[in-house]
Amino acid sequence: QVKLVESGGGLVKPGGSLRLSCAASGFTFTDYYMSWIRQAPGKGLEWVSYISNSGATIYYADSVQGRLIVSRDNTDNSLFLQMNSLRTEDTAIYYCVGARGRWYPFDFWGRGTLVTVSS
Amino acid sequence: IVMTQSPTTLSVSPGESATLSCRASQNIYSNLAWYKHNPGQPPRLLISGASTRATGVPARFSGSGSGTEFTLTISSLQTEDFAVYYCQQFDSWPPTFGPGTKVDI
Repeated sequence: QVKLVESGGGLVKPGGSLRLSCAASGFTFTDYYMSWIRQAPGKGLEWVSYISNSGATIYYADSVQGRLIVSRDNTDNSLFLQMNSLRTEDTAIYYCVGARGRWYPFDFWGRGTLVTVSS
Repeated sequence: IVMTQSPTTLSVSPGESATLSCRASQNIYSNLAWYKHNPGQPPRLLISGASTRATGVPARFSGSGSGTEFTLTISSLQTEDFAVYYCQQFDSWPPTFGPGTKVDI
């Protein structure tokens, strides 16, 4: 069955860095366009970044532009999020999410990994 | 596009029905999805294209609407249906979510 398993979350100080990973299985990874979506404590869902199935097209939310870098390894069915210059407002559960295209809803979600930015 | 949802919280009894509303700040045609989110679980896609149930979603979930006004109806609520429900538009970039409606007992 479809599985998305995130890892790499943890506690980091403001200004620090973290690298999230997502291992995908149970579907053809190269058919899917992947996103990171986050949920801050007590808040709703916020789309953060997108990468096309080939990795050629990437988008970021304005709130993270210039600080986060998304990438994927299609030989290993993996998605990554390099998080730099972290701020307290980046504290959230980060979900790895798959969709059939840019203009499609989000079909598959991982269980998420918690990132806490605090001094 | 700003998505709003009402009510914020909906209290219902098992076996009753629930009607959740979602509004878009501009016309999104039928490019709307609904998700169910139980605490500690990943969100699950329920409805896409405003009214098409995703694979494996029970028939008691139904979606309707187009343009700017949308509705999710859950008939005969089961215990596992008590959760937070989010609507999301995928008509314009970036994709945006509503703030959610919590359905509790």
